[in-house]
Amino acid sequence: EVQLLESGGGLVQPGGSLRLSCAASGFTFSSYAMSWVRQAPGKGLEWVSAISGSGGSTYSADSVKGRFTISRDNSKNILYLQMNSLRAEDTALYYCAKVKTRNCGGDCNFEYWGQGTLVTVSS
Amino acid sequence: DIQMTQSPSSLSASVGDRVTITCRASQSISTYLNWYQQKPGKAPKLLIYVTSRLQSGVPSRFSGSGSGTDFTLTITSLQPEDFATYYCQQSYSTPLTFGGGTKVEIK
Repeated sequence: EVQLLESGGGLVQPGGSLRLSCAASGFTFSSYAMSWVRQAPGKGLEWVSAISGSGGSTYSADSVKGRFTISRDNSKNILYLQMNSLRAEDTALYYCAKVKTRNCGGDCNFEYWGQGTLVTVSS
Repeated sequence: DIQMTQSPSSLSASVGDRVTITCRASQSISTYLNWYQQKPGKAPKLLIYVTSRLQSGVPSRFSGSGSGTDFTLTITSLQPEDFATYYCQQSYSTPLTFGGGTKVEIK
């Protein structure tokens, strides 16, 4: 059974940093791309970032480029999202998602989702 | 960036109704269109990928069609557990983008 467990969310001041983690199990982690998708309170879904199975390719939304960094540790089956220079508009529930394919260069869809970790950016 | 527009944004329907949700892309995305269902307080669930392929475990009353810029999600004979918000998502190119969602409510 595929399981994705996010952690690391919390309350942070504008300009601050957080690192989210997603512990994966139930599948061969290194064989699949992974992604982060967020949802602001009461709003729709917004894709944040994705990384290939090997970790060699990464993709990010313009809204987070230069501030957020996605990475993975295939030896530990963990996905990360380093978030710097946080803004109020980054407040959201952040979901970790398993992609159906090894790469996210095309046909990148989200087969399994975690339950999310809440990030609140406020002074 | 490819913009995804869903319509309607909400609809009311009764159990047993046939429901159709439309998603339009701002440029051609071939058949790289996916549909998700999200219930309140829960993570989204993949229903259909690459326009018409049913994700494992998803009931056959869900179907998808379309190509290019226009796509539809159809639910034949709406069931009580289908009341939720539905999102389309293009996987043709990054940045990946979602539609704004369609909330299906009980009439």
